[in-house]
Amino acid sequence: NFMLTQPHSVSESPGKTVTISCTRSSGSIASNYVQWYQQRPGSAPTTVIYEDNQRPSGVPDRFSGSIDSSSNSASLTISGLKTEDEADYYCQSYDSSNPVVFGGGTKLTVL
Amino acid sequence: QVQLQESGPGLVKPSETLSLTCTVSGGSISSYYWSWIRQPPGKGLEWIGYIYYSGSTNYNPSLKSRVTISVDTSKNQFSLKLSSVTAADTAVYYCAGGIVGGDYYYMDVWGKGTTVTVSS
Repeated sequence: NFMLTQPHSVSESPGKTVTISCTRSSGSIASNYVQWYQQRPGSAPTTVIYEDNQRPSGVPDRFSGSIDSSSNSASLTISGLKTEDEADYYCQSYDSSNPVVFGGGTKLTVL
Repeated sequence: QVQLQESGPGLVKPSETLSLTCTVSGGSISSYYWSWIRQPPGKGLEWIGYIYYSGSTNYNPSLKSRVTISVDTSKNQFSLKLSSVTAADTAVYYCAGGIVGGDYYYMDVWGKGTTVTVSS
């Protein structure tokens, strides 16, 4: 079993770039795909990145995902920040004993 | 485009069984592995379990003893039953359609969610 750890909150100004990290506690981050979900206030989550770095149709290319084996973490990078990007972001991966493992979530404030 | 709609009682008494249904429209019930996920007020997401249209299931080990997920292919619906509820089960419950691979699973489509409060 492993855990995914995210920063509780991040903030950045409109137009800037922000990166949210997701660190896997044990086992290799590269072993299983990482997904990222966006949850705007009062709304259901939506998928913004799947399979480490793939964007669903309709998600702008300002959103990108990557993994870094050296830090055993995944990252979600949002460039050209807009106020509409203000939301909670959750990473998620797979564990054979518990197929869906979520990170604790990161609140992104665009100020 | 697949759309999901949760339905069920918004209030459940402690020790009783929570029952929710998710109706799938705009696509086939065989399209995805169907999950239930919940989110307690002010907290993060917790996966409850999933089912395939064949009836094959997989549950979160922490909830497994209290959870049953079933599917009704004739109605394009799948359902959640959570027994012996307590106030800790108060949450927004989401249904979702997920994609399974050999060593991965992730949600592709989500319902809007339904709030369930456990209280006497």
